[in-house]
Amino acid sequence: KQEVTQIPAALSVPEGENLVLNCSFTDSAIYNLQWFRQDHGKGLTSLLLIQSSQREQTSGRLNASLDKSSGRSTLYIAASQPGDSATYLCAVYNFNKFYFGSGTKLNVKP
Amino acid sequence: DTAVSQTPKYLVTQMGNDKSIKCEQNLGHDTMYWYKQDSKKFLKIMFSYNNKELIINETVPNRFSPKSPDKAHLNLHINSLELGDSAVYFCASSPRDRVTGELFFGEGSRLTVL
Repeated sequence: KQEVTQIPAALSVPEGENLVLNCSFTDSAIYNLQWFRQDHGKGLTSLLLIQSSQREQTSGRLNASLDKSSGRSTLYIAASQPGDSATYLCAVYNFNKFYFGSGTKLNVKP
Repeated sequence: DTAVSQTPKYLVTQMGNDKSIKCEQNLGHDTMYWYKQDSKKFLKIMFSYNNKELIINETVPNRFSPKSPDKAHLNLHINSLELGDSAVYFCASSPRDRVTGELFFGEGSRLTVL
């Protein structure tokens, strides 16, 4: 059964720092991997989707990488801002299901 | 124009009652899901429908019954509510394409059982 792990569970950084969030998964037979952002009390907003044949995707200050063979993905956030404070979740898709990690709660201090 | 909308957003009710949550998507997606998010923020799939047909039914008590009248709607009915049912329930949808299929979520429905 697919298991998705995100480390660290929580992260606090000063504004302006570059940071990396990690996501690992146990079964490399995935169709895609998606990174989400969840603000407190809100739904999940899709940030980036990486197809299984791709190595990375970029959107603005965000860059997500995928290494299927090692079962890892990273989300790189450049020049972090207080508005980036949220919980970030990754999800992998295989066998008709999206499997979620438990998220990394990010706090960017002004 | 909201892509995935669910109602109500908040629901407070007594144990033993029956309640429903409705979900609609206007993205033209074939697949819709119900997820439960517990207090530790862990998201667990409950059900998935593909074009009105049930394709995933995780280990969920049969007090929970999904209904999909058409591929744009997936409702969740819960009978005999229990304290442990308190959670945030998210509806989501995705296109049929597995490779590029992106998951879109509603805002969530926070259920509190007293």
